[in-house]
Amino acid sequence: NAGVTQTPKFRILKIGQSMTLQCTQDMNHNYMYWYRQDPGMGLKLIYYSVGAGITDKGEVPNGYNVSRSTTEDFPLRLELAAPSQTSVYFCASSQGANQPQHFGDGTRLSIL
Amino acid sequence: AQSVAQPEDQVNVAEGNPLTVKCTYSVSGNPYLFWYVQYPNRGLQFLLKYITGDNLVKGSYGFEAEFNKSQTSFHLKKPSALVSDSALYFCAVPPYTGGSYIPTFGRGTSLIVHP
Repeated sequence: NAGVTQTPKFRILKIGQSMTLQCTQDMNHNYMYWYRQDPGMGLKLIYYSVGAGITDKGEVPNGYNVSRSTTEDFPLRLELAAPSQTSVYFCASSQGANQPQHFGDGTRLSIL
Repeated sequence: AQSVAQPEDQVNVAEGNPLTVKCTYSVSGNPYLFWYVQYPNRGLQFLLKYITGDNLVKGSYGFEAEFNKSQTSFHLKKPSALVSDSALYFCAVPPYTGGSYIPTFGRGTSLIVHP
C-alpha cells in the first residue's frame, strides 16, 4: 500500500516556466489537499477537492490551478513560475473531512 | 475564524525526561484536534486526535495529549523522551470544524531531545 505518492521529489524552474506537480493516492479517499510549507509558517492550503470533478480554493490559490478527473489523482499546475512560489509542496488525502490526513513526502521546488 | 497557536518554536529536553509541546486553539463549538509529526524530508504523519470523550488521548509512539476545554489547550506529552522523538510537531484543526472548510495548522514546534 503506497499511500500518497508525489512526483517529482525535487525540481528547479526558471521564472516564467510552467510545470505540474503530480499526486496520486491508492486509498480511495475522496478528500485531497495541496499545501505549501514555508519555514516557520506551518502549512497553507492551496486547493482542495472533496471528490472527483470537484475542486475549491484554499487560503493561497493565486498562481496555481488543479484538476480532479479521477479519485486517485490530484495534480497541481504552476502556469508562470515566480520566485515567491519557491517552497515545499505537500499533497494529502483523507477518508472524510474530519479524518486524519495522509501526506506524501513532498516536492521541493526552487524557482530561480 | 478558527486558529491554533503553538507558542514555542523549539522545545529542548533531555532523553528520559518528560516532554510537553504546547497548543492552544480557538474554535467555535466542539473542536476536533489533531497532532502530527514531521521528520526531516518527509511528509506529516498523524499521531493522535481528540474528537469527544476522554480528555486524555493516547496515540502513536507513546505520545498522549490532554484536552482542556477551560484553557482551550491540547498539549502533547510523553512521559520519557527518546532521541528519535526529535522532529517537528504540528497541532491542527481539521476542515469543516467550527464552520470553516479550511484545515488549520499551527506553525510547528521543533522538538530536540538531547542524549
